[in-house]
Amino acid sequence: DGGITQSPKYLFRKEGQNVTLSCEQNLNHDAMYWYRQDPGQGLRLIYYSQIVNDFQKGDIAEGYSVSREKKESFPLTVTSAQKNPTAFYLCAAAGELRETQYFGPGTRLTVL
Amino acid sequence: AQTVTQSQPEMSVQEAETVTLSCTYDTSESDYYLFWYKQPPSRQMILVIRQEAYKQQNATENRFSVNFQKAAKSFSLKISDSQLGDAAMYFCAYRAPNDKIIFGKGTRLHILP
Repeated sequence: DGGITQSPKYLFRKEGQNVTLSCEQNLNHDAMYWYRQDPGQGLRLIYYSQIVNDFQKGDIAEGYSVSREKKESFPLTVTSAQKNPTAFYLCAAAGELRETQYFGPGTRLTVL
Repeated sequence: AQTVTQSQPEMSVQEAETVTLSCTYDTSESDYYLFWYKQPPSRQMILVIRQEAYKQQNATENRFSVNFQKAAKSFSLKISDSQLGDAAMYFCAYRAPNDKIIFGKGTRLHILP
């Protein structure tokens, strides 16, 4: 069953704790992306990676970090430096031509 | 800077009727891609339709079609024979040459039975 998986679906953390969101894909896509979605807003790009061991900051990278050690995996860490981390986080992947991004089911993060 | 604007925060349509969602964008590029994504209550983003800017022919996927006006930088989505399952947030998106995608703020579509 091909696709993009994100886990967990819901995540609760205390303020001041770092938390890592998982994103895995078996589409063999080179590029992967992390977006944040807030109520009433479109998606905003946090980080993206075009190839293993390389990644670039998106529009709202402050307070977040990523790694890309494997083609299949692109985990996102929300650090304590992120001022307002409660949001819905979406991971996406795109193939060789980067024409179209396909999305995972998302993770809802709530910081208490 | 590239921007994507959806001027209709919410729309309603009667089941089986046709509805058009509007989108305008701003870019100085000549070659790019445009997309409509659907986000149902599950919140997964689902690709509805894609348009390559160099193609003059409007893209069509079953009941979904677009009206792409390149000179006007307009990219509207038409949904024919609306069904209850079409109820969702719809996002217009522009893919920049650097592979980044810029999303509009979305239009919430209600289907009235």
